[in-house]
Amino acid sequence: DGGITQSPKYLFRKEGQNVTLSCEQNLNHDAMYWYRQDPGQGLRLIYYSQIVNDFQKGDIAEGYSVSREKKESFPLTVTSAQKNPTAFYLCASSISGQGGGQPQHFGDGTRLSIL
Amino acid sequence: LAKTTQPISMDSYEGQEVNITCSHNNIATNDYITWYQQFPSQGPRFIIQGYKTKVTNEVASLFIPADRKSSTLSLPRVSLSDTAVYYCLVGVKGGYQKVTFGIGTKLQVIP
Repeated sequence: DGGITQSPKYLFRKEGQNVTLSCEQNLNHDAMYWYRQDPGQGLRLIYYSQIVNDFQKGDIAEGYSVSREKKESFPLTVTSAQKNPTAFYLCASSISGQGGGQPQHFGDGTRLSIL
Repeated sequence: LAKTTQPISMDSYEGQEVNITCSHNNIATNDYITWYQQFPSQGPRFIIQGYKTKVTNEVASLFIPADRKSSTLSLPRVSLSDTAVYYCLVGVKGGYQKVTFGIGTKLQVIP
């Protein structure tokens, strides 16, 4: 079945440590996204990529970095500069750009906590 | 960018039809209306999308009046498994347009 795979499901980070969240899709979608969701809140866009080797900052990119070397993969690194990283992280993809009207397919998320 | 407004929460008994209305007064001509469902600790799932009038699929119906300034997601005969957060989004299909998933509507189905 086609879909988006996020790993790990749970991740713990020590103070001052960088961690990388994996996101892989086999839907042959051009566009991929990373969101952050805090308890009781909506989704906030961290980064998005409309095509391989290109990505743009979303609303809350500070303290995060991404790469898009392959169409299928869009890993997110949470750096030590992100002072409040505890959240639920969601990766998504769509056929083309995020027009709002373009349906997005989501993974099941990675829950990141601080030790 | 069209802003959407929807109720924060709703309760319904099992077996009832549930209607969740979303207001989008400044919807643009090329905007589509899309609804997602999110269960706890999962990513949102696309439910239905429409442009005008009525759209129906195996999960829900979407009613859009002629002025398109609002839309109503209708869930027939809800069950406990329909307890989730429902998001309404408005936007074009092509290119990139910044969109925001608001807080959504938390639907609680009661036995």
